[in-house]
Amino acid sequence: SQTIHQWPATLVQPVGSPLSLECTVEGTSNPNLYWYRQAAGRGLQLLFYSVGIGQISSEVPQNLSASRPQDRQFILSSKKLLLSDSGFYLCAWSPGQGMNPYGYTFGSGTRLTVV
Amino acid sequence: AQTVTQSQPEMSVQEAETVTLSCTYDTSENNYYLFWYKQPPSRQMILVIRQEAYKQQNATENRFSVNFQKAAKSFSLKISDSQLGDTAMYFCAFFDYKLSFGAGTTVTVRA
Repeated sequence: SQTIHQWPATLVQPVGSPLSLECTVEGTSNPNLYWYRQAAGRGLQLLFYSVGIGQISSEVPQNLSASRPQDRQFILSSKKLLLSDSGFYLCAWSPGQGMNPYGYTFGSGTRLTVV
Repeated sequence: AQTVTQSQPEMSVQEAETVTLSCTYDTSENNYYLFWYKQPPSRQMILVIRQEAYKQQNATENRFSVNFQKAAKSFSLKISDSQLGDTAMYFCAFFDYKLSFGAGTTVTVRA
């Protein structure tokens, strides 16, 4: 069966420090991968998605970047964090190719607080 | 861009009662999927129910059912016999080539 792992679960970082959040998927190949951000009490905003190694699409301009160095690994990064980067970050995956009738499967999330 | 609107920020319901959450969406596509996700206090996103746009029959999963009105672009969720464990934030989501979420409705079930 497929599983998705996301870490760390909680992170407190000072303003101006770098960020690296990691997400990996097991039990499938060539998944579509996604990073979402959720502000407190708000909906989910799609930040990046990837349909293959090295293929990254950005949905909104921001202080963040994403990379996919391996088929089932998706990394969210920042060189210098801002206070506004605080939030709950969710990684998700879906089967590649074609319309997926089952939605996305989400990781357990990372709560990032920038201080 | 697809737009998903949930007009009820918060709902409260007595245990064992029924609550209905509203969702509308905007699209020019004819083939798509709709979902309701639940996010409990743990913040894990859990798929509750899904609906395929080309199916007229409303989806049902145990105590959860939807009222899908394609022409009106409406997709409401009904929770019957509410339980304390249903307390969560509920998100409506639209999928054609990517998943777009509404702002969410916080449901509180009172004992």
